[in-house]
Amino acid sequence: GAGVSQSPSNKVTEKGKDVELRCDPISGHTALYWYRQSLGQGLEFLIYFQGNSAPDKSGLPSDRFSAERTGGSVSTLTIQRTQQEDSAVYLCASSYGTSGYQETQYFGPGTRLLVL
Amino acid sequence: AQTVTQSQPEMSVQEAETVTLSCTYDTSENNYYLFWYKQPPSRQMILVIRQEAYKQQNATENRFSVNFQKAAKSFSLKISDSQLGDTAMYFCAFMTVSNFGNEKLTFGTGTRLTIIP
Repeated sequence: GAGVSQSPSNKVTEKGKDVELRCDPISGHTALYWYRQSLGQGLEFLIYFQGNSAPDKSGLPSDRFSAERTGGSVSTLTIQRTQQEDSAVYLCASSYGTSGYQETQYFGPGTRLLVL
Repeated sequence: AQTVTQSQPEMSVQEAETVTLSCTYDTSENNYYLFWYKQPPSRQMILVIRQEAYKQQNATENRFSVNFQKAAKSFSLKISDSQLGDTAMYFCAFMTVSNFGNEKLTFGTGTRLTIIP
């Protein structure tokens, strides 16, 4: 079956513009996660969805960042008024999300965002 | 808060040799999971191996095995008979359940492994 997909693969934008990043999780996975990977760094947790709700938004760095998920499937991460420090690879992951403590997260290929 | 430390930013070995990547972590939790993920230049994070903290037996997946030392909070990855396709960034990650009920992964900063032909 298909894995996690993300679009676009690469995005170049100008400072101050808004961007939308899309994630399509594995079919049947109810849990969805967004992470950010800055150059030379590990992955930083941003937000977690269970179904369409986001019980854990603790990793969002500022109110310029928001995310939604519709139909328990596709998720969109929106960054408003982008800044140069937002440049990073944004990774999405999904898991079954049913048993609560043992789910392996499967990752998409990421979107590389460059803010000029 | 949990922290994961990978003290080797870069490593390189000859093809067919064995290499060990180090990882230490800090937590007050007793039940948790540990993972090694591989990230090749394609950026796709690929699960290599996982270890349940309650299991004493070290996990093994073909050429990949771990040395899990719970008391020392150490979780190293051994790659045997290394292959060119093993060239990638390797991330150690720790999973616990957050206050919100989700499995939160905390990652180390990664080790860039290069297999030399």
